[in-house]
Amino acid sequence: AQSVTQPDIHITVSEGASLELRCNYSYGATPYLFWYVQSPGQGLQLLLKYFSGDTLVQGIKGFEAEFKRSQSSFNLRKPSVHWSDAAEYFCAVGASHTGNQFYFGTGTSLTVIP
Amino acid sequence: NAGVTQTPKFRVLKTGQSMTLLCAQDMNHEYMYWYRQDPGMGLRLIHYSVGEGTTAKGEVPDGYNVSRLKKQNFLLGLESAAPSQTSVYFCASIVGGVIHSTDTQYFGPGTRLTVL
Repeated sequence: AQSVTQPDIHITVSEGASLELRCNYSYGATPYLFWYVQSPGQGLQLLLKYFSGDTLVQGIKGFEAEFKRSQSSFNLRKPSVHWSDAAEYFCAVGASHTGNQFYFGTGTSLTVIP
Repeated sequence: NAGVTQTPKFRVLKTGQSMTLLCAQDMNHEYMYWYRQDPGMGLRLIHYSVGEGTTAKGEVPDGYNVSRLKKQNFLLGLESAAPSQTSVYFCASIVGGVIHSTDTQYFGPGTRLTVL
């Protein structure tokens, strides 16, 4: 069965520091992987996605993620965090053989301190 | 182009009452989804539809029904609301078929439902 694990429930970083949010997935075939961000009271916004090819993908707002098949991971990174990055981050895997269902992790809440 | 819209934005129900949440998309997407979001649980799929007139169960379908009579609309119904259905509900849509690199799942702004 498909599943996504985000081991960090909450992370606090200082503004300007680097960030890495972890995501591990379980999926039998080649995964389609996504990172979404949710600001308080808002819907989900796509940050980036991986389908195939280059394992390092660039997204919006200066985020990037690296797909590592051997580790079943798709970690999200940002070299320098801004206060506006404080939000909830969700990793998801898409399964095309089941109506394109998306399986979401439980999310990581990011706090940015000045 | 409004994307994905949800009606209503907020609702308070008493236990046993019924209601319908409406999701509408104007992107001509084939596939539509209903999720619920609870603290510490992420998003869990309730039901989804791969086309007009079709529906399928997701991870947590009990207590909900859905209908897709028109391609652009996906309705989520609660026949007899329970406090356990207090949640934020999100609708989403995607083009359909095999996922392509250009495809993105678009989300609505959510409906916050409280069942007393």
